[in-house]
Amino acid sequence: AQKVTQAQTEISVVEKEDVTLDCVYETRDTTYYLFWYKQPPSGELVFLIRRNSFDEQNEISGRYSWNFQKSTSSFNFTITASQVVDSAVYFCALTASLNYGGATNKLIFGTGTLLAVQP
Amino acid sequence: KAGVTQTPRYLIKTRGQQVTLSCSPISGHRSVSWYQQTPGQGLQFLFEYFSETQRNKGNFPGRFSGRQFSNSRSEMNVSTLELGDSALYLCASSSGGARVGVDVLTFGAGSRLTVL
Repeated sequence: AQKVTQAQTEISVVEKEDVTLDCVYETRDTTYYLFWYKQPPSGELVFLIRRNSFDEQNEISGRYSWNFQKSTSSFNFTITASQVVDSAVYFCALTASLNYGGATNKLIFGTGTLLAVQP
Repeated sequence: KAGVTQTPRYLIKTRGQQVTLSCSPISGHRSVSWYQQTPGQGLQFLFEYFSETQRNKGNFPGRFSGRQFSNSRSEMNVSTLELGDSALYLCASSSGGARVGVDVLTFGAGSRLTVL
């Protein structure tokens, strides 16, 4: 079965602290994609990053960085020097597999981590 | 470029009624997916449409249905509403890639349904 686990329900940090959000996934597929989305209070999910299973290179984008490790089935997300505007719920997601080998955009989401950045 | 538009944004219904939610995808996007978000169950996939055909369906009762029109706009319908149907319903669109996971979903702001 496919599953995404975000064990951290809620994290509270003070502005300028670094924070890491954990994501562990389960899948039997050899080809899959992992995503991170951010959900601010307004409600819409905002895409942050997509990583495929063949690319274990870590990525940095400004204050954001992602660490993908297939050996531990983890895809962790770090915010450096956090800001109040980073406060949101962050979701990790995995592409669903298909028995019939067709196409789908279905995502399996983790339960999310609420990040509160205090000024 | 306009984003994904969902209407209505908020609505209140009573048990037993039915509701129809609408989603207008980004221009040129052919795939529309629907998700239900609740505090207890989190984000759960409802269904996905591509070129007016349902491509995938989640594990929801038959009271939940959807469709997609030739202009890619989509509607979902929930009949005989139950209290547990209170949720944020999110629509997402994408270009409709031919392979799993190729597309990045762009989400709308959601329709918040309250069932009394």
